[in-house]
Amino acid sequence: KNEVEQSPQNLTAQEGEFITINCSYSVGISALHWLQQHPGGGIVSLFMLSSGKKKHGRLIATINIQEKHSSLHITASHPRDSAVYICAVSLNQYSGGGADGLTFGKGTHLIIQP
Amino acid sequence: DAGVIQSPRHEVTEMGQEVTLRCKPISGHDYLFWYRQTMMRGLELLIYFNNNVPIDDSGMPEDRFSAKMPNASFSTLKIQPSEPRDSAVYFCASSPREGIWGRNEKLFFGSGTQLSVL
Repeated sequence: KNEVEQSPQNLTAQEGEFITINCSYSVGISALHWLQQHPGGGIVSLFMLSSGKKKHGRLIATINIQEKHSSLHITASHPRDSAVYICAVSLNQYSGGGADGLTFGKGTHLIIQP
Repeated sequence: DAGVIQSPRHEVTEMGQEVTLRCKPISGHDYLFWYRQTMMRGLELLIYFNNNVPIDDSGMPEDRFSAKMPNASFSTLKIQPSEPRDSAVYFCASSPREGIWGRNEKLFFGSGTQLSVL
């Protein structure tokens, strides 16, 4: 079973700061997903990565397959970025690492203060 | 599209009672997932369906849990009998196959059902 570790567990920062959230996993994967859970509980898919880097607005996700590590970066952070960010990995070779068969990290609780 | 619809939003029941959670996926999505979220264990996959067929139910904690998907627009997760340790938020999510590789890259989550078993 793949172990997924996220760090830090909790992060408080000031508006405008550059944020980095890390995710490490123990065995080889097909793909890695980043999710965002809002304070009200709703969950949104942010990225699916199998290599390299993806960017969407102020969010950047990177993955290093050899090191079994991924990072989620937020540039020019804003209070509306306050949420729990969850990393999840897929071992499923048949779906090319799609969303089936995900193992989740415990999440990073991010608070951006104005 | 209204998104993934779950009902009820909140459920409070007594130990031993049967609980049924309901989910309507986004039309056209091939995959449907049931997840459970607790403070201690985070998000866990319980079971998922592909084209209404259960593919992996290894996350279902025990025989008290069962899930069905009688058609492409409806799924249920049933707990019978319920126990206090079943208290959690239960999420349903659906996902389409996309792209040239036919991968389901994005999950679309419902709002969740907050279950409290007293």
